[in-house]
Amino acid sequence: SAVISQKPSRDICQRGTSLTIQCQVDSQVTMMFWYRQQPGQSLTLIATANQGSEATYESGFVIDKFPISRPNLTFSTLTVSNMSPEDSSIYLCSVAVGPRDEAFFGQGTRLTVV
Amino acid sequence: SQQGEEDPQALSIQEGENATMNCSYKTSINNLQWYRQNSGRGLVHLILIRSNEREKHSGRLRVTLDTSKKSSSLLITASRAADTASYFCATAAQGAQKLVFGQGTRLTINP
Repeated sequence: SAVISQKPSRDICQRGTSLTIQCQVDSQVTMMFWYRQQPGQSLTLIATANQGSEATYESGFVIDKFPISRPNLTFSTLTVSNMSPEDSSIYLCSVAVGPRDEAFFGQGTRLTVV
Repeated sequence: SQQGEEDPQALSIQEGENATMNCSYKTSINNLQWYRQNSGRGLVHLILIRSNEREKHSGRLRVTLDTSKKSSSLLITASRAADTASYFCATAAQGAQKLVFGQGTRLTINP
């Protein structure tokens, strides 16, 4: 398994500001994944963060809005930029480990934009 | 939408009864994973089943996979109040680690 520490656990932010979410894993992993869960909805993949290269974004998500850093094999950050109330969601990071590629998740960051 | 479908969307049963949730997906997969989420917190990994497996057990959980029908089911036996949560299935395509999630089932266990 993997232990993933994510912070902050929650925040309330003013519209127009930015928030950076941190994700720390207890082992080295090639890829880290960032998901968004809008209120009452399921999870949607934002992007895949690879160490040493630019993140790969899913359709509907752009780097200017969700810049990602991946400075080493155990850490990544996701920034939610120029926030609006529509960005209010839970943001989760995830890694897949082991021979079966089991995917584990951090506790999530509950973001409220006012 | 790329997401799979889960049914039912909501399920309410009495403690001690069995709960069955179903998941359908759209593309060929490498594996299918089930998760539990309590009150909008992080996801707890329950069980992974590979595309060449048909059934997996873990404690009170039983997962089946039918790749010909592109469907899976999660059975929770002898349910407890603590099983109240949302349950999600997620699939990984061949050669990929990123997941596509189903819409989820909200399970309520009544004491």
